[in-house]
Amino acid sequence: NAGVMQNPRHLVRRRGQEARLRCSPMKGHSHVYWYRQLPEEGLKFMVYLQKENIIDESGMPKERFSAEFPKEGPSILRIQQVVRGDSAAYFCASSLGPGQGPYEQYFGPGTRLTVT
Amino acid sequence: EDQVTQSPEALRLQEGESSSLNCSYTVSGLRGLFWYRQDPGKGPEFLFTLYSAGEEKEKERLKATLTKKESFLHITAPKPEDSATYLCAVQAYYSTLTFGKGTMLLVSP
Repeated sequence: NAGVMQNPRHLVRRRGQEARLRCSPMKGHSHVYWYRQLPEEGLKFMVYLQKENIIDESGMPKERFSAEFPKEGPSILRIQQVVRGDSAAYFCASSLGPGQGPYEQYFGPGTRLTVT
Repeated sequence: EDQVTQSPEALRLQEGESSSLNCSYTVSGLRGLFWYRQDPGKGPEFLFTLYSAGEEKEKERLKATLTKKESFLHITAPKPEDSATYLCAVQAYYSTLTFGKGTMLLVSP
């Protein structure tokens, strides 16, 4: 399966713990995006990365949230000291880079985070 | 600020009853307008990209059109398997995707 992969699919954390969400982009894609989807709300952009570089983090909360896309391995979205309001579905998407072809984003199946 | 408004929020159709979903947008320099389909508990599935006013794209029973202010997703003779939430998103140049809240479509047999 050459699609976008995310793990874990479901994650339960107690308040104050850390959550780590992983995303492997579609084969051939070098750009990764993270979105959050809350019930009754649309998908909200969080951060846009390419390998070893954050391009745009304007949608990321200033505290407790961080993201990386290392040279080797998956992209990781990290949430420290989780609170109940962090409970949501987190989606990763990937695309080709500028000038490489069609730039539509393809989404993974998501990670559903529940904070108890 | 880029904005996307989708209507209706929910739509119930009988199998074979054609209809249209609307996506109104404001964006500072449209790079592309995207339609996605999302099934419950799954990630959005890419359907179409539209780049300029007047453009149309088709896939099976779906047809997407674009004007300078809105896009329509026309569903011809829908089947129950077309039931899903349909998402519209816009992208400005040097920007990321802005999504609408979606239209939840239910097609009854």
